[in-house]
Amino acid sequence: AQSVAQPEDQVNVAEGNPLTVKCTYSVSGNPYLFWYVQYPNRGLQFLLKYITGDNLVKGSYGFEAEFNKSQTSFHLKKPSALVSDSALYFCAVSPYNQGGKLIFGQGTELSVKP
Amino acid sequence: ETGVTQSPTHLIKTRGQQVTLRCSSQSGHNTVSWYQQALGQGPQFIFQYYREEENGRGNFPPRFSGLQFPNYSSELNVNALELDDSALYLCASSAGNNPEYEKLFFGSGTQLSVL
Repeated sequence: AQSVAQPEDQVNVAEGNPLTVKCTYSVSGNPYLFWYVQYPNRGLQFLLKYITGDNLVKGSYGFEAEFNKSQTSFHLKKPSALVSDSALYFCAVSPYNQGGKLIFGQGTELSVKP
Repeated sequence: ETGVTQSPTHLIKTRGQQVTLRCSSQSGHNTVSWYQQALGQGPQFIFQYYREEENGRGNFPPRFSGLQFPNYSSELNVNALELDDSALYLCASSAGNNPEYEKLFFGSGTQLSVL
């Protein structure tokens, strides 16, 4: 079955420290990978995507993600966290040749404390 | 803020009723997708419309149906509402000719409560 796993329900980080939000996936073929962020009472906002090419993808607000095909992972990272980064983060995969269907993980709540 | 607008923002219905949710896509976007987000869960794909044709459907029963209009706005209809249909319904639009990897622009959602 196709799936996306975010193993941590919550990640706590001190402001200024690096952060990592983990994501692994299970799909056949070469998927397209995405990260979205959701602020309270808001829809999701696109952060970044991996289609092909360089395994390190840079996105909005200083976030980046590293695609690792052998580990089927797509972890989200930021060198220095801000309090304003506190939100709910979703990893998603678009399986190859299945239209635009996105399979989302269950989300990781990121809390950045001053 | 994206240019995707959804209406209504909140809705309360009773079991067995029917509901229609509406979505106006961002200008220039030809693809609309609908997702259901239950409390504490990630969004689940309901279906997608690309240039007025259904372009994929998730594991939802036929009582979930949709429509995309020539101006690319869209409706989601749910018949015979069940308690488990209570969720946030998200609409997302995108541009381009490859829906598989275009980024989505989400609306703020319609919160549906079924009593």
